[in-house]
Amino acid sequence: NAGVTQTPKFQVLKTGQSMTLQCAQDMNHNSMYWYRQDPGMGLRLIYYSASEGTTDKGEVPNGYNVSRLNKREFSLRLESAAPSQTSVYFCASSVTKGNTEAFFGQGTRLTVV
Amino acid sequence: QKEVEQDPGPLSVPEGAIVSLNCTYSNSAFQYFMWYRQYSRKGPELLMYTYSSGNKEDGRFTAQVDKSSKYISLFIRDSQPSDSATYLCAMNANSGYSTLTFGKGTMLLVS
Repeated sequence: NAGVTQTPKFQVLKTGQSMTLQCAQDMNHNSMYWYRQDPGMGLRLIYYSASEGTTDKGEVPNGYNVSRLNKREFSLRLESAAPSQTSVYFCASSVTKGNTEAFFGQGTRLTVV
Repeated sequence: QKEVEQDPGPLSVPEGAIVSLNCTYSNSAFQYFMWYRQYSRKGPELLMYTYSSGNKEDGRFTAQVDKSSKYISLFIRDSQPSDSATYLCAMNANSGYSTLTFGKGTMLLVS
């Protein structure tokens, strides 16, 4: 029972490089989310997808794009990475948007140098 | 003022102590209150949730909500070293319609 799977687990990028973080869930959840977690800042919502075919901005969307590829997969793209995007990124899913139980992946530790 | 305030800690307690973790919030529309636990280098996982005011108990854990004071608490009885983690409160106004708002988390160390 995999739950929410994120790839990669670690990544180092140079400023200006692009990359896509992948997320897949096997719980047949409708809603998926991307958060970033920084020391002293807590979890901040970047983008979310309430259901397949829809995406919406969260609290800190600048510099990111997302794609809800299908019901299972939700990817996060950094087009031109900046040092300020150094963070731990978590993907999560829930049955519906804002449902009390969100299931989180193990995170991607991204460093932009 | 942030919507949800939570002391980051760390909070260090001896094994067996009763732990009290707290959050305050400003949005009176919040009705669903959750506590997530996050072990080091792992994703958060739901520990407990409470709807509206009152108490909820699950084993050694008790969640308490005081909507009149906009204050929520998580009590851990007989704390164990395995309870060492970061505890994040989360809340929303309308489950299924609005996204969760998280506190910054309190780091708990039990030794």
